[in-house]
Amino acid sequence: GESVGLHLPTLSVQEGDNSIINCAYSNSASDYFIWYKQESGKGPQFIIDIRSNMDKRQGQRVTVLLNKTVKHLSLQIAATQPGDSAVYFCAEANYGQNFVFGPGTRLSVLP
Amino acid sequence: DAGVIQSPRHEVTEMGQEVTLRCKPISGHDYLFWYRQTMMRGLELLIYFNNNVPIDDSGMPEDRFSAKMPNASFSTLKIQPSEPRDSAVYFCASSPNSGSAQETQYFGPGTRLLVL
Repeated sequence: GESVGLHLPTLSVQEGDNSIINCAYSNSASDYFIWYKQESGKGPQFIIDIRSNMDKRQGQRVTVLLNKTVKHLSLQIAATQPGDSAVYFCAEANYGQNFVFGPGTRLSVLP
Repeated sequence: DAGVIQSPRHEVTEMGQEVTLRCKPISGHDYLFWYRQTMMRGLELLIYFNNNVPIDDSGMPEDRFSAKMPNASFSTLKIQPSEPRDSAVYFCASSPNSGSAQETQYFGPGTRLLVL
């Protein structure tokens, strides 16, 4: 089946800078997307979601952007903090189907 | 709420032994998911339940794997016999009922399994 695909980058940012984590998805029928954060030794934790009828959604310090034309999803973290260091997963689903998770991006926050 | 509870947190066993992983979902959640996470394959959905009924088990790798949900507050994932390639972190997740499985999932802390 189709799946979320990621080159697996490791993103290093300076504390206080903004972070942008990208995700490309392949299933044009996907209509719901979630970003998860996974800290070492813990399970994935929900950050923010977006449905396909939107192209932007904001949370606390995080923004998700959806570009359906190029099937691209991004997570922006403002004023990155040491506690943001983790692996970030995007996941896609279409109605009635299950989530497919990408391989993840590791974010390292430098002091 | 304590969140999704999994036990044990760590399991080390020898090849050929039976392994049973346990999960207690968040109270009131109608969906329960079992995932496996490895470095090579990332996070893979194994099976999910809706109202205690298995809906999709297409992700279960082979007959050595089985899962049950005898009631709304408990599920097990069993591997018999276990093999070294089963070594992974196994996550249980639950989500509330929105009419489909497409809803935010809340993950447990995982069980780290090592099969020697």
